[in-house]
Amino acid sequence: EVQLVESGGGLVQPGGSLRLSCAASGFIFSSYWMHWVRQVPGKGLVWVSRIKSDGSSTDYADSVKGRFTISRDNAKNTLYLQMNSLRAEDTAVYYCASNIFGLLGSWGQGTLVTVSS
Amino acid sequence: QSVLTQPPSASGTPGQRVTISCSGSSSNIGSNYVYWYQQLPGTAPQLLIYRNNQRPSGVPDRFSGSKSGTSASLAISGLRSEDEADYYCATWDDSLSGVAFGGGTKLTVL
Repeated sequence: EVQLVESGGGLVQPGGSLRLSCAASGFIFSSYWMHWVRQVPGKGLVWVSRIKSDGSSTDYADSVKGRFTISRDNAKNTLYLQMNSLRAEDTAVYYCASNIFGLLGSWGQGTLVTVSS
Repeated sequence: QSVLTQPPSASGTPGQRVTISCSGSSSNIGSNYVYWYQQLPGTAPQLLIYRNNQRPSGVPDRFSGSKSGTSASLAISGLRSEDEADYYCATWDDSLSGVAFGGGTKLTVL
C-alpha cells in the first residue's frame, strides 16, 4: 500500500524557516517525480514544487521561487521542502504527492504550517 | 484566480447524474492529460480520474472523465450522499512549467 507521511509543520514567525519531510513507502520512491501542494484551510489547492525521480530537475511556483527548496533522499525514501523567508501568506496545509498514475496520484495526509508572530 | 476554471458549486439529488466542467487553454488542457481529485471534508485529496478518462482501481464506474480541446468534464452518475465533496481538476501547464489546478467545485447532494 502506498503511504506518504508528512511531518515538520508548526508555528513559525514571519521571516523564519521550516523544513518539511515526507516519508514514502509501498512503492519504488526513486522511480517517481514528487510534488508539494498546499491548501489554505477552506480554500483551493495550489501547486508549490516538483522534483524529478533522481533529483536532477526541479520546478517551483513563482510565489515560492527563491525562498523554497525541494529535495529528496532516495536512499531514505524521503522528500523534503526547505522553506525560508516565510510569510503570512505561506500559512497552509502542505501535502506531498507522488506521480503514480501520471500526476499527483497519491497524497499524504498533510502538515499544517502557520506563519504568525 | 485559478488557471483552470470550474464552477464553484454543483448539486443534485440521489440517483441523478451531475457534470462538473473544467476549462483551460492550449498550454494546459489543450496539450496535456487532465486529472480529477475528490476531497472529502477534513481529508486529503484523492485521485479520481487520471489521463483524462482512466479510473484507478477502487474508484466506482459511476465516475467518468472526458476531454475535448481545451475543456474537460467529470460526470458522476447515480449520485450518492457520500459523493458530497470538493472536486478539483488539474493538469500540467507548459507556459507556467507547473501544475495548474481548477478552483474546485463543491458538490452538494440534496
